[in-house]
Formats: sequence, C-alpha cells, structure tokens
Amino acid sequence: EVQLLESGGGLVQPGGSLRLSCAASGFTFSNYGMTWVRQAPGTGLEWVSTISGSGKGIYSADSVKGRFTISRDNSKDTLYLQMNSLRAEDTAVYYCAKGTVVGTRAFDYWGQGTLVTVSS
Amino acid sequence: QSALTQPASVSGSPGQSITISCTGTSSDVGNYNFVSWYQQHPGKAPKLMISEVTKRPSGVSNRFSGSKSGNTASLTISGLQAEDEADYYCCSHAGRTTFVVFGGGTKLTVL
Repeated sequence: EVQLLESGGGLVQPGGSLRLSCAASGFTFSNYGMTWVRQAPGTGLEWVSTISGSGKGIYSADSVKGRFTISRDNSKDTLYLQMNSLRAEDTAVYYCAKGTVVGTRAFDYWGQGTLVTVSS
Repeated sequence: QSALTQPASVSGSPGQSITISCTGTSSDVGNYNFVSWYQQHPGKAPKLMISEVTKRPSGVSNRFSGSKSGNTASLTISGLQAEDEADYYCCSHAGRTTFVVFGGGTKLTVL
C-alpha cells in the first residue's frame, strides 16, 4: 500500500525557515517523480515544485523560486521542501504527491498534508 | 502562471449527469494531453479521478469520464450520487517552465 506521510509543518514568523519532509512507502521511491502542492485556507490547489525520480529534474513555481528548494533522498525514501524567507501568503496545507507511472504531470497518491502558518 | 478557469459551482440531482469545464490556453490544455482531474472532500487530500485527459485509475467509478476539445477539458459525472458532492480541480501540464497549473476548483452540490 502506497503511503505518504508529511511532517515538519508549524508556526513560523515571517522571514523564517522551515523544512518539510514526506516519508514514502509501498512503492519504489526512486522510480517516481514527486511533487509538493499547497492549499491556502479556503482556496484552491497550487502547484509548488516537482522533482524527478533521479533528482536531476527540478521545476518550481515562480511564487517560490529562489526561496523554496525541493530535494529527495532516495536512500531514505524521503522527499523534502526547504522553505526560506517565508511570507504570510505561504500559509497553507502542504501536500506531497506521487507522480504516475507515465510521469510527473499527474499525481496518483497524496499525503494527508501538513499545515504551515506564517505569522508574527 | 494563470490558473485554469473552472466554474465556481455546479449542481445536479441524484441520477443526473453534470459536466465541469476547464479552460486553459494553447500553452497548457490545448498543447498537451496531460490534463488530470482531482476530487477533494472537505478536510481530505485530493484524489486522482482522471489522468491524461481520459484515463480512469483503477478503483475510480466508470461514472467519471474526461474529454478535451481545443483549449477546454471537461469532466463528466453520470448517475450523480450523494458521495460525489465535493470540490473538483483540473490540472494541466504547461511546459518546462511553468510545468503544472491547476484550475480554481468547482464545488459540486448534489441536490
């Protein structure tokens, strides 16, 4: 059974940093691209960043470029999102999602999400 | 990175069919057959319902179907059931720079 378990969310002050983790199990982690998607309270889904199975391909939304860094450790079956220079508008539930067998453009399994709140 | 355009809400009675549209541009929906649809119940994670415009993952009811014409993709739900009441999001590949873009979401109410 595929499982994705996010952790690392919490309350952080504007300008602060946070690192999210997503522990994966139930599939060969290194074979699949992974993605972070966020959802601000009461709003829709927003794509944040995607990383290929090897880690060599990385894509990020303009809204987080230069501030957020996606990475993965295939030896630990874990996906990360390093978030720096956090802003109030980064407040959201952050989901990690697994790419399909075809690629990273659709997401067939999602974690339960971890809430990040940026506030003073 | 403009979001794809979806109607804010749609509704239908049990047993009826509804269609949710998702309008993009020639840079996303119109240029790639990588449109996917997600169902999200309140407080839950999204669930993949359709990938690659028309493909239904294992375990998803065949009452859900997808299509695309030009820059607009559509999700059709036939034989509406109470449990279909949820938010639905479309998503499209948008090239190597933008990569992925979501629609704003549509709230489906089953009357």
